[in-house]
Amino acid sequence: GENVEQHPSTLSVQEGDSAVIKCTYSDSASNYFPWYKQELGKGPQLIIDIRSNVGEKKDQRIAVTLNKTAKHFSLHITETQPEDSAVYFCAASETSYDKVIFGPGTSLSVIP
Amino acid sequence: DTAVSQTPKYLVTQMGNDKSIKCEQNLGHDTMYWYKQDSKKFLKIMFSYNNKELIINETVPNRFSPKSPDKAHLNLHINSLELGDSAVYFCASSPPGANVLTFGAGSRLTVL
Repeated sequence: GENVEQHPSTLSVQEGDSAVIKCTYSDSASNYFPWYKQELGKGPQLIIDIRSNVGEKKDQRIAVTLNKTAKHFSLHITETQPEDSAVYFCAASETSYDKVIFGPGTSLSVIP
Repeated sequence: DTAVSQTPKYLVTQMGNDKSIKCEQNLGHDTMYWYKQDSKKFLKIMFSYNNKELIINETVPNRFSPKSPDKAHLNLHINSLELGDSAVYFCASSPPGANVLTFGAGSRLTVL
């Protein structure tokens, strides 16, 4: 089955700097890669996703890149703000009805 | 209006007891899930129902029994609770043809 790894497990950046979180997946059949943000005491919330027919996607300060050959995908947050502090999860899924497998999470702290 | 609502939010109980967690979604989604988040924040899928039919059943002890009376509700019953069952349980739902997950706020179960 699919296995998703994520690095780093913790990340601390100064406000205004960029943050990058990297993930790898094992199943070459996976074609959907969402990213979720979990704030303290809340459920994870989808912030951006990318499908395998696209190499990069951007939404304001966040962007995701996908390298299907290397089975890598990354989340980039620019101009970080204190409210970006949260746990971020990458995930992978094979089909629209298949289970979504999550990475172990990255705890991001943005220092004002 | 809360899209995916779970009750109770907190549950403290003794080993050996039986407890239930309820989940309801008002998004009109066809698929609902239960995920378990352990103390290290790792999110693991347990079950998935599509239109009241069980479609994903991970390696979960038989003590856990999901029930979906209709597509808007998915409940989780746990028999003979063990210390290792202590975790946050998240309900989620997704629309037809896509596994974009909307999570509830979670139910924190503590087994003493």
